Amino acid sequence: EAGVVQSPRYKIIEKKQPVAFWCNPISGHNTLYWYLQNLGQGPELLIRYENEEAVDDSQLPKDRFSAERLKGVDSTLKIQPAELGDSAVYLCASSPRRGGSSYNEQFFGPGTRLTVL
Amino acid sequence: DAKTTQPTSMDCAEGRAANLPCNHSTISGNEYVYWYRQIHSQGPQYIIHGLKNNETNEMASLIITEDRKSSTLILPHATLRDTAVYYCIVRTSGDSNYQLIWGAGTKLIIKP
Repeated sequence: EAGVVQSPRYKIIEKKQPVAFWCNPISGHNTLYWYLQNLGQGPELLIRYENEEAVDDSQLPKDRFSAERLKGVDSTLKIQPAELGDSAVYLCASSPRRGGSSYNEQFFGPGTRLTVL
Repeated sequence: DAKTTQPTSMDCAEGRAANLPCNHSTISGNEYVYWYRQIHSQGPQYIIHGLKNNETNEMASLIITEDRKSSTLILPHATLRDTAVYYCIVRTSGDSNYQLIWGAGTKLIIKP
């Protein structure tokens, strides 16, 4: 079974430039997450989708970050314009169904390492 | 803020059991404890989770104290490939909008 696919794996841009990350979740997984991970820290949730609906975007800095999940499958996370402090690893994860009384583990992709110069 | 406290780093000899402690003294009665690990340059990987009872799977065992204020992840026969950062996480309550609040984790180094 193919895992969560993310691209690109690495991205270097200058500040004020736009950047986009793409995620293809595991087939059949309804829930999709975008996380940000700074060096030496655990992941921080940016946004969670149930199918095509963003059900939790409270941690997404909406002045510069946006995300979409058209057709409830692939997802794109965009930053415009990027700032120096956005340098981090951006992780995408998916799980089989929305959270309920029984936990559904999250399957993570390898992440995209963003460097803003 | 993370609801768990873990040592920053630990060493363990290859072939021995690795015991990773976690403190979650403010855990609520309906909150689960989860463990993930993250090998260098990879995304996190689910290991195990539990509520009250001890749990075991093919990767590890999870021992939760009776008062649920702490737990220990046990890797019974550590190998070099178990070198990773291990995260102990408490799931926030509320099924409809739960989150995993991640701390900084424990960097476990398995030595030959």
